[in-house]
Amino acid sequence: GAGVSQSPSNKVTEKGKDVELRCDPISGHTALYWYRQSLGQGLEFLIYFQGNSAPDKSGLPSDRFSAERTGGSVSTLTIQRTQQEDSAVYLCASSQGWVYEQYFGPGTRLTVT
Amino acid sequence: AQRVTQPEKLLSVFKGAPVELKCNYSYSGSPELFWYVQYSRQRLQLLLRHISRESIKGFTADLNKGETSFHLKKPFAQEEDSAMYYCALSGEEYGNKLVFGAGTILRVKS
Repeated sequence: GAGVSQSPSNKVTEKGKDVELRCDPISGHTALYWYRQSLGQGLEFLIYFQGNSAPDKSGLPSDRFSAERTGGSVSTLTIQRTQQEDSAVYLCASSQGWVYEQYFGPGTRLTVT
Repeated sequence: AQRVTQPEKLLSVFKGAPVELKCNYSYSGSPELFWYVQYSRQRLQLLLRHISRESIKGFTADLNKGETSFHLKKPFAQEEDSAMYYCALSGEEYGNKLVFGAGTILRVKS
């Protein structure tokens, strides 16, 4: 079946602009995660949604970052007033629940110029 | 705090040689340990997890709680094993979010 999809695959933006990154999880998966993959920091957790529970936002690096998940499915990660250090690959993953394997999307490569 | 350490950024071996990718962790509770792999131009995917005790593509990993290690091993490397390998940790206290090591690039030379 279809895996996790993300869009856009690449995004180039100017410093100070806002960006929105989208994730479509595997149908039926209740858990959704956002991670960031960057040269200096490796792979780091950003935010986690599980069903109707309040999201775990403990990994968001600043209040410029936010995410929502509508209808328990699609998620959008928003970065306001982008900075050059936000340049990274943003990965989304989903799973059937918190004890199950996470399936990763292809990522969105964000470049802030 | 939970932490995963992969001491080698790059490991280069010849085809047919044994491979060991090192992973050490720190965690106060009962961790779940994973190895994820990312082949060139492919998405990150699960290779194996310690609770399943499986051997995937000839790779095995044993959780050693005394040494807090979860090293990935394969007796005979193949060229198609060349990839980035990440060790990751999760635990009930932290939901299911994964804490990743920095990753090790494995290059298998012919």
